[in-house]
Amino acid sequence: AQSVSQHNHHVILSEAASLELGCNYSYGGTVNLFWYVQYPGQHLQLLLKYFSGDPLVKGIKGFEAEFIKSKFSFNLRKPSVQWSDTAEYFCAVSDRGSTLGRLYFGRGTQLTVWP
Amino acid sequence: KAGVTQTPRYLIKTRGQQVTLSCSPISGHRSVSWYQQTPGQGLQFLFEYFSETQRNKGNFPGRFSGRQFSNSRSEMNVSTLELGDSALYLCASSLAGGEDSPLHFGNGTRLTVT
Repeated sequence: AQSVSQHNHHVILSEAASLELGCNYSYGGTVNLFWYVQYPGQHLQLLLKYFSGDPLVKGIKGFEAEFIKSKFSFNLRKPSVQWSDTAEYFCAVSDRGSTLGRLYFGRGTQLTVWP
Repeated sequence: KAGVTQTPRYLIKTRGQQVTLSCSPISGHRSVSWYQQTPGQGLQFLFEYFSETQRNKGNFPGRFSGRQFSNSRSEMNVSTLELGDSALYLCASSLAGGEDSPLHFGNGTRLTVT
């Protein structure tokens, strides 16, 4: 089974700072990769996804993520965070060939952005 | 379009009881998945249904079961509740579970077992 690691449990930044959240997965085969975000009081929402092709993926709200196969990593980045980015961020993986209903999630990273 | 609807939002049960949670997927979505979220274990996959058939199951005991109806609505049942079953239970739906149909999550049902 997959295992997904998110390196930071809680990240605190000031507005306009750059963000990078780490995510590593264990499976050596072909995978689909996702970042989900949960804003306070809201449901989990898809931020971006990678299936194949260009390893640099752009998502909503200025987020992007880079898939580095050799490092089993899929780090999330944003050049300049805003207060409204305060949320919990989850990295998730599915095995290629499996349905997308079965995702393996990391433990999440709480991002707090101070105005 | 209405999102994924889960009922009830909150539930308090006693050890040994059983509970049924309900999920109405987004209209047109045929795949429904269930997840358990706890502070200790994070988000863990329970099972996935598609066209009334379970097509994936996570590593949970048999006390956890589910079903899907012909209108794609789904229920999950937990029998003989234990304190450790206290969690947020999330339902997610997608068109067919394929690559072009990512999961859409509901707000969850918060179950507390006392």
